[in-house]
Amino acid sequence: AQSVTQLDSHVSVSEGTPVLLRCNYSSSYSPSLFWYVQHPNKGLQLLLKYTSAATLVKGINGFEAEFKKSETSFHLTKPSAHMSDAAEYFCVVSRRGGFKTIFGAGTRLFVKA
Amino acid sequence: DTGVSQDPRHKITKRGQNVTFRCDPISEHNRLYWYRQTLGQGPEFLTYFQNEAQLEKSRLLSDRFSAERPKGSFSTLEIQRTEQGDSAMYLCASSLTVQGPNEKLFFGSGTQLSVL
Repeated sequence: AQSVTQLDSHVSVSEGTPVLLRCNYSSSYSPSLFWYVQHPNKGLQLLLKYTSAATLVKGINGFEAEFKKSETSFHLTKPSAHMSDAAEYFCVVSRRGGFKTIFGAGTRLFVKA
Repeated sequence: DTGVSQDPRHKITKRGQNVTFRCDPISEHNRLYWYRQTLGQGPEFLTYFQNEAQLEKSRLLSDRFSAERPKGSFSTLEIQRTEQGDSAMYLCASSLTVQGPNEKLFFGSGTQLSVL
C-alpha cells in the first residue's frame, strides 16, 4: 500500500525568501516520488522526480527535492521564491515500475510582494 | 507536441443525465489515465489504459462510469445517471512507456463537471 501526506495545506512566503513544502510518504515497495505543480486554469506539470538515482533531485524553475529514506520524506525547496511560483503543489508516490500514482492533498503556495 | 486536450472544458448537467468526456492524448503516447479531482484534494486515480486495453479500474469507478479507448488513440469517459457527488474536475493524462522507472505524465486542463 502507498500513501502520501503533505504536511501543510497552505504556505505563505515573501518574494525572494526560501520555499519549503513538506511531504511524507508511505510505501510497501521501492517508491518513485514526484512533485507536480498546478497553476490556475492550467494542467498539472511535472516539476521533478526521484526514481532511485541521486537522492537530491533538481527540477525546473529552480526547485529541488531531497529523498530521505530514513525519514520517509521528500520535501520540495527553492532558495528564492518568485511571484510566478504561486500555485498548488502536489507530492506524488507510485510503485517503481508501476503505473498507479497516489497524489497528496496539495499545498497552496502564496508569494507576497 | 500539441499536448493533451480534453473536451469539453466545462459541463453543466442535471442529476440523472448522462455525460461523456473526451481526451486526446499526445499522439505517440501509449498510456492514458483518467483522474478525478475535487476541491481541496489531489487527483484520484480512476482508470488506466495501455494502448486500447483498460488494465486497471479504481474502486472509485462505480458501475455508472465507463471508459473506452478504441484503437488506442483518444479516450472517452461516460458517466450515466449523474449524481451531485459526481461534480468534480476530470483529468486525463498520457505517457510514453519506456524501460526503467516511471515515466512522466502529461496532463490535460481537465473537464469541470457540475451536476445540478
